[in-house]
Amino acid sequence: GEDVEQSLFLSVREGDSSVINCTYTDSSSTYLYWYKQEPGAGLQLLTYIFSNMDMKQDQRLTVLLNKKDKHLSLRIADTQTGDSAIYFCAEFYNTDKLIFGTGTRLQVFP
Amino acid sequence: NAGVMQNPRHLVRRRGQEARLRCSPMKGHSHVYWYRQLPEEGLKFMVYLQKENIIDESGMPKERFSAEFPKEGPSILRIQQVVRGDSAAYFCASSQVTGGGEAFFGQGTRLTVV
Repeated sequence: GEDVEQSLFLSVREGDSSVINCTYTDSSSTYLYWYKQEPGAGLQLLTYIFSNMDMKQDQRLTVLLNKKDKHLSLRIADTQTGDSAIYFCAEFYNTDKLIFGTGTRLQVFP
Repeated sequence: NAGVMQNPRHLVRRRGQEARLRCSPMKGHSHVYWYRQLPEEGLKFMVYLQKENIIDESGMPKERFSAEFPKEGPSILRIQQVVRGDSAAYFCASSQVTGGGEAFFGQGTRLTVV
């Protein structure tokens, strides 16, 4: 079935690292994504990883993919208050459509 | 190169009216996806279209909702006889290739049914 799971909340101190986790269902997913949504705004594509990779780094963002466990994570180094938002994990299910997790609300406090 | 453009950004309709939401994909993108987001919830897939074809409409309610992506012009999501429960943010995304690649979202249309 189509089910992408994420924890609902994460709270971190400014300057610390944040790790947001996600499990997905479709082992044949070719692409896995992380999107950021700020209040009242659309979705901003942060990064994506192709399924034949196990890691991708882009400035402060590191994506880790464990295909065996169908687990995806997003690490944000040196988290800033501007990183406070909802982060969605998504997979391309059945090579047909993006299926989203419920979103993780990241709160960064000083 | 403009991003995915959705209009209107905000739409207010009375119960029973029709709502038309437009989405212009990024230049060179021929795959369009529509999603609905209820307040404080994630995005739910509605429909996937390519030019002139509906590929997957498994997330679309069977009644009152329809979508098209004509050869010329934007993709349209149409909701007939709107009800209060249709109030939500509707997002469109586009991609260049099937099965993935960079999928970009528009800013959404926030529909309020009064």
